[in-house]
Amino acid sequence: AQKVTQAQTEISVVEKEDVTLDCVYETRDTTYYLFWYKQPPSGELVFLIRRNSFDEQNEISGRYSWNFQKSTSSFNFTITASQVVDSAVYFCALSVSKSGYGQNFVFGPGTRLSVLP
Amino acid sequence: DTEVTQTPKHLVMGMTNKKSLKCEQHMGHRAMYWYKQKAKKPPELMFVYSYEKLSINESVPSRFSPECPNSSLLNLHLHALQPEDSALYLCASSQEPGGLGNQPQHFGDGTRLSIL
Repeated sequence: AQKVTQAQTEISVVEKEDVTLDCVYETRDTTYYLFWYKQPPSGELVFLIRRNSFDEQNEISGRYSWNFQKSTSSFNFTITASQVVDSAVYFCALSVSKSGYGQNFVFGPGTRLSVLP
Repeated sequence: DTEVTQTPKHLVMGMTNKKSLKCEQHMGHRAMYWYKQKAKKPPELMFVYSYEKLSINESVPSRFSPECPNSSLLNLHLHALQPEDSALYLCASSQEPGGLGNQPQHFGDGTRLSIL
C-alpha cells in the first residue's frame, strides 16, 4: 500500500523567509511518481512538479526547489523568499500507475502555509 | 484559468433531490477522475475513467453514479445524498491512463456541494 506523510500541519512565516515543506512517502513499488500540488483558497489544485523514482536530480524553478532523496523516501519542497501569494495548502502526492487503469493518486494530508506580510 | 471546467461551482440540494455535476476538458486527455474533498482534508479518489470506461471505483456508495459520455465529458449523478456527502468535488484529467504514470493530473476548480 502507498502512503504519504506530511508532518507539518500548519506553518506560518513572515514574508521573504525561506520555508521547507516536508514529504515522506511509503511504497513497495520500484517505479513510482511523486508530485506537489498547491491548493489556494479558491479550491483548484495547481500542479507544481512531478518526479519519477529513477530521477533523483533536484530541481529549481524560480523561488521553488525540490529535494528528492530515495534513501530517506523524502521529497521536500522549499520556497525561497516567500510571498503572501504563496499562502495555500500544499499537497504531496504519490502515484503508482497501472497501465490502462489510470493513476491512483495518494495524497498526503497537506501542509497549510501562511505567509504573513 | 483552469483547463478543466466544472459546473456548477456551488450546489445546494436536499436529500431527496437528483442533481448532476459536470466536468469538461478539451486537452485530449483519455483519463478522467472524480475526487471528494472534505474541509481540511486531502482529496480522496472516487472514480477513474480510462478511455471512457470505468476502471477504478473506490467503493463509492451507489448514490453517486458516474458517467463518461465521451472523452471530453465526465458527469457525476447524485441521488438521495446524505449530509455527510457535503464536500468539494473535484474533477481531474490526465494525458495517459496510467501507461506513463508521470503525467500530472489537471484539476478543475471543483463544485462545492451542500446537502440540507
